[in-house]
Amino acid sequence: AQRVTQPEKLLSVFKGAPVELKCNYSYSGSPELFWYVQYSRQRLQLLLRHISRESIKGFTADLNKGETSFHLKKPFAQEEDSAMYYCALRRPGLTGGGNKLTFGTGTQLKVEL
Amino acid sequence: DAGVTQSPTHLIKTRGQQVTLRCSPKSGHDTVSWYQQALGQGPQFIFQYYEEEERQRGNFPDRFSGHQFPNYSSELNVNALLLGDSALYLCASSPGSKPEKLFFGSGTQLSVL
Repeated sequence: AQRVTQPEKLLSVFKGAPVELKCNYSYSGSPELFWYVQYSRQRLQLLLRHISRESIKGFTADLNKGETSFHLKKPFAQEEDSAMYYCALRRPGLTGGGNKLTFGTGTQLKVEL
Repeated sequence: DAGVTQSPTHLIKTRGQQVTLRCSPKSGHDTVSWYQQALGQGPQFIFQYYEEEERQRGNFPDRFSGHQFPNYSSELNVNALLLGDSALYLCASSPGSKPEKLFFGSGTQLSVL
């Protein structure tokens, strides 16, 4: 069975400090991994996915298959980064996983001035 | 475009009752997925509808059922409500099975007393 673990419920950092939100997964294969973000009073939205290997709002995430991790990183935290972040996994392939995402429990990031 | 619209926003029911939640997908989207998000947890996949058929299902009992209409809108029905069904129910739409294009609604908060 697939599983996503986000060990921290809350992560508090100062503005300008580096951020690392941890995500570990268990899946017997090569999954697709995503980070979703939910800002206060807004809907859940995609931040980035490992396939695209892009940087969004200064955030990057690298898939480490050896450690089965997909940590989200940003070198300098901004106040507007304060939000709830969810890591999610999907079985790969065109029809394999559909829109069935397995989410972690989320990490609340608080950026303090 | 209003994005994904869910109704009602809040609902209070008692144990044993039945409930119907509604979802209108984002314009141009033909696939609808439903997620349950309990307090303090990440969203959990219930099922996905495409071409008016259930295509994927998560680990939820038969009390949870759905429907998709020809205009792509969808309903989630829950029978014999339990206290544990209290949660935020999220609808997400996409053009086909493309989780990278999933667009979430703001959800329906269901409270079972």
